[in-house]
Amino acid sequence: SQKIEQNSEALNIQEGKTATLTCNYTNYSPAYLQWYRQDPGRGPVFLLLIRENEKEKRKERLKVTFDTTLKQSLFHITASQPADSATYLCALDNYGQNFVFGPGTRLSVLP
Amino acid sequence: EPEVTQTPSHQVTQMGQEVILRCVPISNHLYFYWYRQILGQKVEFLVSFYNNEISEKSEIFDDQFSVERPDGSNFTLKIRSTKLEDSAMYFCASRARRSGETQYFGPGTRLLVL
Repeated sequence: SQKIEQNSEALNIQEGKTATLTCNYTNYSPAYLQWYRQDPGRGPVFLLLIRENEKEKRKERLKVTFDTTLKQSLFHITASQPADSATYLCALDNYGQNFVFGPGTRLSVLP
Repeated sequence: EPEVTQTPSHQVTQMGQEVILRCVPISNHLYFYWYRQILGQKVEFLVSFYNNEISEKSEIFDDQFSVERPDGSNFTLKIRSTKLEDSAMYFCASRARRSGETQYFGPGTRLLVL
């Protein structure tokens, strides 16, 4: 059956450290994978998109990797700040069909 | 920067009543979506809409649900006879192309069915 998993429901890290979040999927062949940030009671906000033929994408303190062999994406936030505390969602874009979201990882950056 | 807007932000209704949730997608976008998120759970796809017709729908989107684009700007989700389990955040999203770029999400409508 098709499944998307994110490594942990919650992740606590110290300010200044690098947060690494994992997204694993089975029985999908996504053309694109995206990461979103969601704050409580708000809609998902787009962060980064990575294509199946790209290994890595960066945007400021954010980095995403995409390994279609391992069926895994890693999302890194370097020099994390308390303002980065939120739930981070990975979403698969299955060749123009709807997005399929993972359950999210709630990140808390402690001062 | 253009954004997706949704109204109302909150809706409280009695079980069995009809509700209409409204969305104004980004103006040059062609593909429209509704998602829902039950409290504490993941974002779930409901329906996608293109060229004035449904292009895909999930198992959640049963006969109680319908979507419409009544004019050039609004995109609505109607629930004909609400159930308690319809209580959730409902998000509208839009994008310019079918694939290869992100969907932009609205702020959501929190629906509470009593």
